[in-house]
Amino acid sequence: KAGVTQTPRYLIKTRGQQVTLSCSPISGHRSVSWYQQTPGQGLQFLFEYFSETQRNKGNFPGRFSGRQFSNSRSEMNVSTLELGDSALYLCASSTNPSLYEQYFGPGTRLTVT
Amino acid sequence: DAKTTQPPSMDCAEGRAANLPCNHSTISGNEYVYWYRQIHSQGPQYIIHGLKNNETNEMASLIITEDRKSSTLILPHATLRDTAVYYCIVRFPTTSGTYKYIFGTGTRLKVLA
Repeated sequence: KAGVTQTPRYLIKTRGQQVTLSCSPISGHRSVSWYQQTPGQGLQFLFEYFSETQRNKGNFPGRFSGRQFSNSRSEMNVSTLELGDSALYLCASSTNPSLYEQYFGPGTRLTVT
Repeated sequence: DAKTTQPPSMDCAEGRAANLPCNHSTISGNEYVYWYRQIHSQGPQYIIHGLKNNETNEMASLIITEDRKSSTLILPHATLRDTAVYYCIVRFPTTSGTYKYIFGTGTRLKVLA
């Protein structure tokens, strides 16, 4: 069974631009969560989707948004990029939100210049 | 909300048991403890989780103190491939029926040959 895939793997953007990252969960998994990882803040939870509905949200500004499609694939969007948004963005999937045995993708490394 | 505290780094000799502690002194009764690890340049990998009983699987054992204020992840026979950052995570339910996740800062385990 294929694992969680994230595209693109690497991305360079400039301040003020917006970016969309994509995540394809493991087949049959309906819950997708997003995380931001930086050297200074560590792993931080962004949001979680299940059956196309956002079920949970971390403490991030409204510039960070996401959505989930009917095939469980998910996207996250960051508008008006700031230098501090440079991070590894990780996506994880599970069969349902009540389980925390999540499977992570390799991440998208975003660099904002 | 529960918070977790982990030592920043530990060394362990190859073949010996690695004991990784986590303090979660403010944890409450319905909050689970999960452990993940992250090998360099990869997404985190689920290891084990527990509520109040000790747990064991093919990867590790989890010992939770009776008062649940701390736990220890045990890798019984550490190998070089166990070198990674280990995260202790507390998950707790919210009043809206969703979950929030508190990540520890992680312990960087180095297994020495």
